[in-house]
Amino acid sequence: QSALTQPASVSGSPGQSITISCTGTSSDVGGYNYVSWYQQHPGKAPKLMIYEVSNRPSGVPDRFSGSKSGNTASLTISGLQAEDEADYYCSSYTSSSTWVFGGGTKLTVL
Amino acid sequence: QVQLVESGGGLVKPGGSLRLSCAASGFTFSDYYMSWIRQAPGKGLEWVSYISSSGSTIYYADSVKGRFTISRDNAKNSLYLQMNSLRAEDTAVYYCARVSSYYAFDIWGQGTMVTVSS
Repeated sequence: QSALTQPASVSGSPGQSITISCTGTSSDVGGYNYVSWYQQHPGKAPKLMIYEVSNRPSGVPDRFSGSKSGNTASLTISGLQAEDEADYYCSSYTSSSTWVFGGGTKLTVL
Repeated sequence: QVQLVESGGGLVKPGGSLRLSCAASGFTFSDYYMSWIRQAPGKGLEWVSYISSSGSTIYYADSVKGRFTISRDNAKNSLYLQMNSLRAEDTAVYYCARVSSYYAFDIWGQGTMVTVSS
């Protein structure tokens, strides 16, 4: 199972919006609505930010939103804040009853 | 509170074995699928294995199939990963994670470091 494709890095200024893409295949992202996104600060465990493409767990700010079109999912963060600087990973359930992660995207808040 | 705590990591020689444990608390462990996910130093997340709530269904990533064995003891609220024939490329922080009903990993442990080196 090949990893999902994410940009290595994105950046934005405080208050701006950024979008991180996550491209897979019809066997994972395109075939299921089981796409999730995780935030990871240095030295910390990942934290679930989005599940089922666009749903936010309790406690996650509504500045975080998700969407999907075809084989590509996206995470958008609006109103960027300094604390959003972190690594972000997408993940999808697959047709092989396994999971696959993206390579990760480093978000820099300028 | 809902919590997962891993243990059992350490330094092991190539070809050696190690058993990781994950203690769950704050939720009904036997109701949930569980998974192991790892992260090599400076690298991304890699899904390793998952086990159904009863333990009857198990899947592995190709990279560990035949070498790693996942198991659980619902009476002890514990998840395990038996790792055999370890290789340098298995060096990573190993996280246990709860699998939600929507196929996402909603609770993560703090991780335990496994280093495979001679």
